[in-house]
Amino acid sequence: DIVMTQTPTSLSVTPGQPASISCKSSQSLLHTDGKTYLYWYLQKPGQSPQLLIYEVFSRFSGVPDRFSGSGSGTDFTLKISRVEAEDVGVYYCMQGIHLPRTFGQGTKVEIK
Amino acid sequence: EVQLVESGGGLVQPGGSLRLSCAASGFTFSYYSMNWVRQASGKGLEWISYINNSSSAIYYADSVRGRFTISRDKAKNSVYLQMNSLRDEDTAVYYCARGTMIDWGQGTRVTVSS
Repeated sequence: DIVMTQTPTSLSVTPGQPASISCKSSQSLLHTDGKTYLYWYLQKPGQSPQLLIYEVFSRFSGVPDRFSGSGSGTDFTLKISRVEAEDVGVYYCMQGIHLPRTFGQGTKVEIK
Repeated sequence: EVQLVESGGGLVQPGGSLRLSCAASGFTFSYYSMNWVRQASGKGLEWISYINNSSSAIYYADSVRGRFTISRDKAKNSVYLQMNSLRDEDTAVYYCARGTMIDWGQGTRVTVSS
């Protein structure tokens, strides 16, 4: 199984400041079709997870452009350019190249 | 608008069974694979099962293989999770999710306890 490792486990951010979360996979997520199947989700308090970023860097419909994804192969990053109060919650990365699907352990983002 | 509505959760004794349902709407159900993902209280996300759009490919996590069965009904636009031989460690909120987890339902809570 592919192991997904996220860092840090928690983050406390001043509103308006940037934040960055790292996700590393134990195997390359680059498929033979040329796509890299790395996804980012945010689970706000008391809610279901919601898709933010798919295939490394593509923002899902309605996701603000302060969220951006980057990376390749086994190393990936989610960046929030200016954190807002509504961004609090737990962020998860997930690999979509192989079954079983596997998630990172999550990064909890709080506002200072 | 895509909607996924789970139901069927509840309290069950160890060794018991439950059948979860997920009713889908707002998209062409027959085009998409479906998944079940669970989350124990205060814990992370655990993928547990996948079924492709035609039901020809089905996969399970090791933790549930042999005890849980996923299925889908295109006439009812629904996906199901039959859970047998339930254990304490199966206690969680169970979510259904479309495709590569594009959309998620609100979840249904399963509690396994005597």
